[in-house]
Amino acid sequence: DTAVSQTPKYLVTQMGNDKSIKCEQNLGHDTMYWYKQDSKKFLKIMFSYNNKELIINETVPNRFSPKSPDKAHLNLHINSLELGDSAVYFCASSPGQGAGETQYFGPGTRLLVL
Amino acid sequence: QKEVEQNSGPLSVPEGAIASLNCTYSDRGSQSFFWYRQYSGKSPELIMFIYSNGDKEDGRFTAQLNKASQYVSLLIRDSQPSDSATYLCAVGSFGNEKLTFGTGTRLTIIP
Repeated sequence: DTAVSQTPKYLVTQMGNDKSIKCEQNLGHDTMYWYKQDSKKFLKIMFSYNNKELIINETVPNRFSPKSPDKAHLNLHINSLELGDSAVYFCASSPGQGAGETQYFGPGTRLLVL
Repeated sequence: QKEVEQNSGPLSVPEGAIASLNCTYSDRGSQSFFWYRQYSGKSPELIMFIYSNGDKEDGRFTAQLNKASQYVSLLIRDSQPSDSATYLCAVGSFGNEKLTFGTGTRLTIIP
């Protein structure tokens, strides 16, 4: 049983396109996250939702728009893709909100912008 | 600037030896500390977490926390080739909703 799943696993696209990444968790967790991991392996929080409510919104270009239709799903839409958006995007979830909670990561979406 | 720092490595350790991974953090208010392991091309997976000063052991892994020195470490005893991975340190503060990750230490166990 997959705990945190993401689609697609790989995404290759042209600069200027708009794309979406989907995430689902079947752990019954209340909180979900989007992270970006660059080529140097630095993992940085982008957004977090708790029960569909946005609780973390880091300094991210407004071309990135998260959406949580319910607490089991968190999607990420990216407009006008740029070369610098190439990275691995990880979705994660935790039982509750707060930095003391263990986070469980999805398999990642490898985005390459050409 | 709140930061979590790790030696990027690579750290090479002979099979069967003890691997020692270190992490320092700048926020004195930090209260939760996590070690994640990430194999190449895979997602981070939790190894251990620690909240209190001292040692916490789980099988071959021991996490050590010293809040006064703002230092957390991970020891891996009897290192195996399967331990070769990047190890990410993550730090959080209660009342702050997010974890801050270090850049990771790449560990290679030499057979």
